[in-house]
Amino acid sequence: EIVMTQSPATLSVSPGERATLSCRASRSVSSSLAWFQQKPGQTPRLLIYATSTRATGIPARFSGSGSGTEFTLTISSLQSEDFAVYYCQQYNDWSGTFGQGTKVEIK
Amino acid sequence: QVQLVESGGGLVKPGGSLRLSCAASGFPFSDYYMSWIRQGPGKGLEWVSYISTRSSFTNYADSVKGRLTISRDDAKSSLYLQMNSLRAEDTAVYYCVRYARGGWFDLWGQGTLVTVSS
Repeated sequence: EIVMTQSPATLSVSPGERATLSCRASRSVSSSLAWFQQKPGQTPRLLIYATSTRATGIPARFSGSGSGTEFTLTISSLQSEDFAVYYCQQYNDWSGTFGQGTKVEIK
Repeated sequence: QVQLVESGGGLVKPGGSLRLSCAASGFPFSDYYMSWIRQGPGKGLEWVSYISTRSSFTNYADSVKGRLTISRDDAKSSLYLQMNSLRAEDTAVYYCVRYARGGWFDLWGQGTLVTVSS
């Protein structure tokens, strides 16, 4: 099983600032990496797939990068609606394991 | 309308059984791999199981192997999860999820809550 590890667990950021979230895979997942956003009481929302492709309707302030085992989600200028938990997920094999999540909170 | 609607959750005693259902609409269900993903109270997302098109392949997380069984009925556009020998740690919201053709999860149901408690 591929283990996904996210860091940090919590990220405190002021509105308007940049947020950088990291995700590491225990072995290469090529570019088969997605990012999800989840707000309390809501279903996860797909932000990014194939490492860097934004899903439909996702603002350009969200960007993804990386390959192999190291990946990054960057939110260029945090808006109030971006404070949430973010999960990375690999789909290199059909199991689709998730990281444990990074909570982005207001500083 | 493209959607997934889960049902069948509820309160069950440890060792008991439950069958979850997921009704798909608005897309050709038989063309897609499907999965169940769960989220325990205050916890992260955990992949549980997947099933391929035509039910050719299935796979399970180690934590549920031998106790949970995924199945599908393409004629009814429905996905199922038979849950046996339930444990307290199976308590979670269970999401029915569609795989995009590229392999990522692109459509989620609203989830159904399963609570395992005496």
